[in-house]
Amino acid sequence: KAGVTQTPRYLIKTRGQQVTLSCSPISGHRSVSWYQQTPGQGLQFLFEYFSETQRNKGNFPGRFSGRQFSNSRSEMNVSTLELGDSALYLCASSPQISSGNTIYFGEGSWLTVV
Amino acid sequence: GESVGLHLPTLSVQEGDNSIINCAYSNSASDYFIWYKQESGKGPQFIIDIRSNMDKRQGQRVTVLLNKTVKHLSLQIAATQPGDSAVYFCAEILSNDYKLSFGAGTTVTVRA
Repeated sequence: KAGVTQTPRYLIKTRGQQVTLSCSPISGHRSVSWYQQTPGQGLQFLFEYFSETQRNKGNFPGRFSGRQFSNSRSEMNVSTLELGDSALYLCASSPQISSGNTIYFGEGSWLTVV
Repeated sequence: GESVGLHLPTLSVQEGDNSIINCAYSNSASDYFIWYKQESGKGPQFIIDIRSNMDKRQGQRVTVLLNKTVKHLSLQIAATQPGDSAVYFCAEILSNDYKLSFGAGTTVTVRA
C-alpha cells in the first residue's frame, strides 16, 4: 500500500511569488491535513480537510489556503511568498481524525524562499 | 493555549541501553496520543499510539505509558540501536479539533 505522496519534494521560490504543493493520501483515507515545520516554531497545524470540506484551520494568514478534491487528493497554496515561509510542509492522511485512527505523514515538500 | 511539551530537548544513550523519552500534556480533553520519529530530511514516522482510556501499550521494542493523573506520556525504547537516532515527537489529538498538537521534540543520539 503506497504511503502519503507529496510533490514537489524540493522547490525554490522568490519573494512575492506563489506556490502550490500537492498531496496524495493513502488509498481509502479521507482526511488530509497540512503542517508547517520550521526550526523555530516546530510543527504547526495549517488546516484539515475531510470529504472536500475544511474542518479546521490553524493560525496562519490568509495567504495560506488549501483544498481537497473528490478523490481525497489535496493541494495547498501560499501566495505572496515571504522569506519566513521557508519551511518543510508536511501532509498527513488518516481514515478519519479520531481516537484510534493513526495519522501518517508524507516526506514533505521543502520550500525555500529567496 | 494548551500544548504538548517534552521534558528534555536532547537525550544521549549508549547502544544497547533502554531509552525513556518524556512528554507532558496539559489538555485533559485529549483522547489520543501518538509518538513519531523523524529522521533528518524525512517526514515524521508513526511509532506507536495510545488512547486515553489505556495506561500502557506495547509495540516492537517500544512501550508507551500514559499517566492521566499527572498528564504525562512516555516512550520507552528497549535495547536502543544506532538506527533509533532521530528526533522524537509526542502529539495529542484534541477531540473534534481534527488536528495534532506537537511537542517540541527530543533529539536522541545513540552512542556506539
